[in-house]
Amino acid sequence: GAVVSQHPSRVICKSGTSVKIECRSLDFQATTMFWYRQFPKKSLMLMATSNEGSKATYEQGVEKDKFLINHASLTLSTLTVTSAHPEDSSFYICSAQRDTETQYFGPGTRLLVL
Amino acid sequence: KNQVEQSPQSLIILEGKNCTLQCNYTVSPFSNLRWYKQDTGRGPVSLTIMTFSENTKSNGRYTATLDADTKQSSLHITASQLSDSASYICVVSDRGSTLGRLYFGRGTQLTVWP
Repeated sequence: GAVVSQHPSRVICKSGTSVKIECRSLDFQATTMFWYRQFPKKSLMLMATSNEGSKATYEQGVEKDKFLINHASLTLSTLTVTSAHPEDSSFYICSAQRDTETQYFGPGTRLLVL
Repeated sequence: KNQVEQSPQSLIILEGKNCTLQCNYTVSPFSNLRWYKQDTGRGPVSLTIMTFSENTKSNGRYTATLDADTKQSSLHITASQLSDSASYICVVSDRGSTLGRLYFGRGTQLTVWP
C-alpha cells in the first residue's frame, strides 16, 4: 500500500504558459500533501504544505501566486506553475501523509520551460 | 540551526562489495530518522525509519544504525548490486505529528560498477 502517483511524469512547455501537475494517493487518504522542488544533485526543498479543504502553507521565498496549490480531496492535490519561465524548470516531487505516518513520495515530474 | 549532513558526497564501489554511508544531524527536538533511496529521475523510496529508542534497523541488504547521543546514523549496504546505484538520502523529522518538519540531507550518490 501507500502508493503516490504524479501526472505527468515529464512536461515541456513554452515560457508564459501554465502547467498543472497532479499528485494522487492511490490507496489511502492523505490528510496532508507536500510539494517539493529538487535541482540536480541537490536535496529536496519544501515548497508548500497543503491540507484538504484549506489553503496551502507556503515556505518562505515561494511565491503563492506563481505556484498555485489546490487540495480538492483527500487523494488529490494539484500544483499549477503559472506564467512559467525557464528558471522554473526543475524536478517537482509531491508526497502524501496519512495522520502522523511517513510521507510517501510520488515519482516526480520533470518540468522543462523553453 | 537544524541541519543534516551526509558523507561521502559520492561513492563508487564494485559489484558485490559492501559500503557504509554516513549521516550527521543537528535537528532538535528529534522524532525519527529515515533513509531513502532515490533513483535518477524518480521520487525517493523509504528504506528504513528509526525512532529515538531504536539503534539498528534492517531491510534486506540495507542496515541502518542510529546513535541518538552523538546524532549520527549510518546506512550499510552489503553485497552491492548494480541496481543499488542511486542517491541515498538521510531525512530527519523534528517531531512526530503532522506539524513535523523534514530535514533532508543532500544525499550520497552511489555508483556500483560491474
